[in-house]
Amino acid sequence: KNEVEQSPQNLTAQEGEFITINCSYSVGISALHWLQQHPGGGIVSLFMLSSGKKKHGRLIATINIQEKHSSLHITASHPRDSAVYICAVRLIQGAQKLVFGQGTRLTINP
Amino acid sequence: GAGVSQSPSNKVTEKGKDVELRCDPISGHTALYWYRQSLGQGLEFLIYFQGNSAPDKSGLPSDRFSAERTGGSVSTLTIQRTQQEDSAVYLCASSLGGNNEQFFGPGTRLTVL
Repeated sequence: KNEVEQSPQNLTAQEGEFITINCSYSVGISALHWLQQHPGGGIVSLFMLSSGKKKHGRLIATINIQEKHSSLHITASHPRDSAVYICAVRLIQGAQKLVFGQGTRLTINP
Repeated sequence: GAGVSQSPSNKVTEKGKDVELRCDPISGHTALYWYRQSLGQGLEFLIYFQGNSAPDKSGLPSDRFSAERTGGSVSTLTIQRTQQEDSAVYLCASSLGGNNEQFFGPGTRLTVL
């Protein structure tokens, strides 16, 4: 079992829909990152959070440390949001390396 | 300002050859990371540099892989005697410190024939 599990693996939705991507982890962490990777493109950091909730534009990220779970929400989704969204955690023990989920491929159709 | 840059963007090599991949982090960032993303696979950690501390090499898959960071800035990832399973996108990231947001470079796509 992976230390970081994302769901769903693939998600297709219509423009305007509210999107939720989930991330669960099984280890102690000091922070959780949400990353975005466009096809053929690089990786962009969306959020880094260790508690509570953060919002940036149409994107919202929440984390529940007790339940070891985080969600990434996209409101009023748009085709340009189509990308792979990756959850990554920084472990409490052992250095600063990130452990990554397998990613969620999101496709927003017009 | 300039982001993280990597070179080359693409590298095709023959099995058994050595390759060097370069990363230029954001100026002033003390932490530098190397990751690998194989086709159809997730990202995996390779190595981490923080200032003058000894690097965390726990993610390097074999002794054919090594990395150095000169003057606390530019880093080079070297793969000796490349194998086909080394084919992947190699990503570099940097951050202000070990506990900060990481900024990723565009990656180097390595193909070993």
